[in-house]
Amino acid sequence: DQQVKQNSPSLSVQEGRISILNCDYTNSMFDYFLWYKKYPAEGPTFLISISSIKDKNEDGRFTVFLNKSAKHLSLHIVPSQPGDSAVYFCAASALIQGAQKLVFGQGTRLTINP
Amino acid sequence: NAGVTQTPKFQVLKTGQSMTLQCAQDMNHNSMYWYRQDPGMGLRLIYYSASEGTTDKGEVPNGYNVSRLNKREFSLRLESAAPSQTSVYFCASRDGRSGNYEQYFGPGTRLTVT
Repeated sequence: DQQVKQNSPSLSVQEGRISILNCDYTNSMFDYFLWYKKYPAEGPTFLISISSIKDKNEDGRFTVFLNKSAKHLSLHIVPSQPGDSAVYFCAASALIQGAQKLVFGQGTRLTINP
Repeated sequence: NAGVTQTPKFQVLKTGQSMTLQCAQDMNHNSMYWYRQDPGMGLRLIYYSASEGTTDKGEVPNGYNVSRLNKREFSLRLESAAPSQTSVYFCASRDGRSGNYEQYFGPGTRLTVT
């Protein structure tokens, strides 16, 4: 039972355009959401996050939007750059069995074409 | 600061062999985690340690054991490796204080079981 889903395994975007990565979740107990970026042969690195009490968080070229009623969040990257080519993981945080844990989506491979 | 370090980077085992994956963090974090990453599955939690002296099972603990040796180190042991344990393993750590959700990841160990 996948509680966090990224339904697009891959996305290809032209350099300079907007990249939109989507994530859906099912558990209403999630109280914080994070996006991680992963390059090949490296560990995931934190990119941006949002609390469940907010609907938008912006950091430079990256903006995360949260729609709690739809249980949906999205990551916008604008303008997209070649260095943004990576796998992006959505993660949701909840207190599970007394400990704060992250549940990850399957990831979306973003390719930025020059 | 090295952050989160993992050894080894690569390992090939035969079915039935045992090994221990090592993880250390130098950020004075309380919580540590072990994940595995398989194609199309995202990152799945194997075991975690909310604080020094405690360990608990995650989503996929079968076939693994862990030891929280001290605050810095958290090891993952495969007692009798199986081909289904072929995966990339990531260790992560988190501050653990309330309001801190971000986990910091190591570079990963790529394990192949033949």
